[in-house]
Amino acid sequence: EDKVVQSPLSLVVHEGDTVTLNCSYEVTNFRSLLWYKQEKKAPTFLFMLTSSGIEKKSGRLSSILDKKELFSILNITATQTGDSAVYLCAVEDNTDKLIFGTGTRLQVFP
Amino acid sequence: DVKVTQSSRYLVKRTGEKVFLECVQDMDHENMFWYRQDPGLGLRLIYFSYDVKMKEKGDIPEGYSVSREKKERFSLILESASTNQTSMYLCASSFPQGLGQGDYEQYFGPGTRLTVT
Repeated sequence: EDKVVQSPLSLVVHEGDTVTLNCSYEVTNFRSLLWYKQEKKAPTFLFMLTSSGIEKKSGRLSSILDKKELFSILNITATQTGDSAVYLCAVEDNTDKLIFGTGTRLQVFP
Repeated sequence: DVKVTQSSRYLVKRTGEKVFLECVQDMDHENMFWYRQDPGLGLRLIYFSYDVKMKEKGDIPEGYSVSREKKERFSLILESASTNQTSMYLCASSFPQGLGQGDYEQYFGPGTRLTVT
């Protein structure tokens, strides 16, 4: 059965800290891995990763994929209170289906 | 601007009622999806559709059905609502990969919070 596992489930940090969120997966017919940020609304897309070893960056956020070890990490540097959210990892297979993890809840305190 | 809309943000229904959740996208996307989100369980796929009149079961289709009569509209139907179907329901749409769209993504609607009493 396809599955996506995120860790930690929850994380509490102070502003300015750097955090690393993990996502491991077991999915047949892997096509891509996606990261979303979810606040009190529908998830917003952050990154899509298809190739190993190529880092994607957007401001203070970056992500990388390891297709051999079947995991991805999402890094957030110099965290801010606005980064507080649930971060979702999802793996897409070649039927366009998305398999989501349960998310990591990040809380950033001033 | 990309837009996925859902017919209701909040809905309260009684056990046994038939419930329709509507989703409309204006991006000419072939793919549309219905998910439910529950605390600690993440997003779970209920049904998805590749094209008009096409549908595929997701991970948790029991108790649900769908309808895709037009490309822009994907309806989720609860034939006889039960309390365990109280949840946040999210609709999404996307292009199929391989059409030169580059990095594509699923666009989500705002969600419908359904409470079944």
